Amino acid sequence: AQSVTQLDSQVPVFEEAPVELRCNYSSSVSVYLFWYVQYPNQGLQLLLKYLSGSTLVKGINGFEAEFNKSQTSFHLRKPSVHISDTAEYFCAVSGPGGYNKLIFGAGTRLAVHP
Amino acid sequence: GAVVSQHPSWVICKSGTSVKIECRSLDFQATTMFWYRQFPKQSLMLMATSNEGSKATYEQGVEKDKFLINHASLTLSTLTVTSAHPEDSSFYICSAATTGDSNQPQHFGDGTRLSIL
Repeated sequence: AQSVTQLDSQVPVFEEAPVELRCNYSSSVSVYLFWYVQYPNQGLQLLLKYLSGSTLVKGINGFEAEFNKSQTSFHLRKPSVHISDTAEYFCAVSGPGGYNKLIFGAGTRLAVHP
Repeated sequence: GAVVSQHPSWVICKSGTSVKIECRSLDFQATTMFWYRQFPKQSLMLMATSNEGSKATYEQGVEKDKFLINHASLTLSTLTVTSAHPEDSSFYICSAATTGDSNQPQHFGDGTRLSIL
């Protein structure tokens, strides 16, 4: 069985500061890892994904994440956040094949303050 | 590309009525569609997986007679909440994927907020 743990339910940060949103996963098979962002009353938008290859993955809006197999982590980072980054962020895992079901973490609320 | 349209975006109805939510893939063929439920300030919980032309596979604890899913074509899946009650009020989100590209993640609709009075 697969599971995802997002260690922080809320992360407050000031504008232009760096941020890291933490995600750990558990799986007995190889996995695909994803980060999604959700703005209020909207669906999910894919920020980035790790399928294979380079462990540092760059996504949209200046976000990046690093896959660490030994620590079973996939933390999301941004060097300088904007007010518009305020949203809910979900880490997710799936088995090989994108059409397999996604298992989501509980989410992290990123609140960027001026 | 890869747009998923969900309709309606918001619906309010009386207790006891049935509500149908549509999920359409606009520019690709969705072999598989997923339906999620999200409570306020919580994560997405997978309700069911549907493959075109087949019966949906429901997750444990989800009432199949309560949440009817139809995936009659490669571009449309519907979720019908039958005899809805206030406890069914929630945010429902669909996603679509294609087996044509196994590296492609699911594409999500914008969700439907269902409020049962």
